[in-house]
Amino acid sequence: KAGVTQTPRYLIKTRGQQVTLSCSPISGHRSVSWYQQTPGQGLQFLFEYFSETQRNKGNFPGRFSGRQFSNSRSEMNVSTLELGDSALYLCASSLGSMGEIGYTFGSGTRLTVV
Amino acid sequence: AQTVTQSQPEMSVQEAETVTLSCTYDTSESDYYLFWYKQPPSRQMILVIRQEAYKQQNATENRFSVNFQKAAKSFSLKISDSQLGDAAMYFCAYRSAYSGGSNYKLTFGKGTLLTVNP
Repeated sequence: KAGVTQTPRYLIKTRGQQVTLSCSPISGHRSVSWYQQTPGQGLQFLFEYFSETQRNKGNFPGRFSGRQFSNSRSEMNVSTLELGDSALYLCASSLGSMGEIGYTFGSGTRLTVV
Repeated sequence: AQTVTQSQPEMSVQEAETVTLSCTYDTSESDYYLFWYKQPPSRQMILVIRQEAYKQQNATENRFSVNFQKAAKSFSLKISDSQLGDAAMYFCAYRSAYSGGSNYKLTFGKGTLLTVNP
């Protein structure tokens, strides 16, 4: 059974550019969530989607957006990149709508903004 | 809002010995889930063990077990017979069992870096 797939694994962007990260959940998982991981702030919640609906959004500026498609795949977009957006972005999927049995994470996308 | 605290930024253990990682959390809810995740240098977060707040029995997964103290809001992870492959960052996480916008997320602690010495 394939795990959670995140692409690309590494990305280098210039300040002011925009970026799109992709996440393919485990087959059958309808809940997808995104987290930003940095050494200073740790793991911070970005968004959560279930059946194409955004159910929760973390405390991030409007430059961060996301969506989920009918096949449960999800994308997140960051516009007007800032140096502080450099981070590991993790995607997680869950079988249950409440995440009760746990979340399976992807290997992340390492974004570097220069 | 819920918070999760891991008071030990780093821990070390000798191979084959036992180590306990601490986690405390703050919540006003009575129903929730608690998780321990392991993040090795490969970056992928791996679920180690989960606990439901309404289950009094402590969860166990092979060499990993928890000490769940609901009243004290404490959720420690015990690793027995430590192996070199256990070396990683360990995160404690909280998930509300209630539906509703702000509940749809995991709240993580800052993590504990575990070193296993041969």
